[in-house]
Amino acid sequence: QQPVQSPQAVILREGEDAVINCSSSKALYSVHWYRQKHGEAPVFLMILLKGGEQKGHEKISASFNEKKQQSSLYLTASQLSYSGTYFCGTHLGTSYGKLTFGQGTILTVHP
Amino acid sequence: DTAVSQTPKYLVTQMGNDKSIKCEQNLGHDTMYWYKQDSKKFLKIMFSYNNKELIINETVPNRFSPKSPDKAHLNLHINSLELGDSAVYFCASSPFWGTQDYNEQFFGPGTRLTVL
Repeated sequence: QQPVQSPQAVILREGEDAVINCSSSKALYSVHWYRQKHGEAPVFLMILLKGGEQKGHEKISASFNEKKQQSSLYLTASQLSYSGTYFCGTHLGTSYGKLTFGQGTILTVHP
Repeated sequence: DTAVSQTPKYLVTQMGNDKSIKCEQNLGHDTMYWYKQDSKKFLKIMFSYNNKELIINETVPNRFSPKSPDKAHLNLHINSLELGDSAVYFCASSPFWGTQDYNEQFFGPGTRLTVL
């Protein structure tokens, strides 16, 4: 079952903040966040595990609510370079390395 | 210096043809993946190999056949191409991660396949 991301698209001015959400109907072992710029490959941002462990870039923050099976990615003081499509990928902990990605959230940052 | 590379970058072909996409990684990873990203940007896993062994095999038409000659290479062969196969195909690699584990996946630049 594919996780659901919200919102589908966000438009910001530089310096503004945004939150992207990812919800799953299944119990998750970990949530992975990736960013994909137009015409490029997805690039890893962060992993959040149940139990609170996180691994990722220092400038990115995110949360994982195990009770609700929801994760949120927080983008603060946005920069032009933040523009792209953000994907959450969920891992159920039942198969090797299998990520199921959400439909993506398009973030556009204007000067 | 390229970590995960794919060839070709663009592939335009006629319906019914057979084509292959090649992927190579120089990161020393054990696990490699094929993803399909459709026109709506939906990114879906197709296959995964760990050290030449198939470990993920999603519901994909059997016209798609992956092959891993060694752990640094994963190729995708597609027979009898159809219009619906048009998409961007991404190869990725990671260290092996088991069920109660996690790892970062490194994606290749993608191959844009257009079937006419």
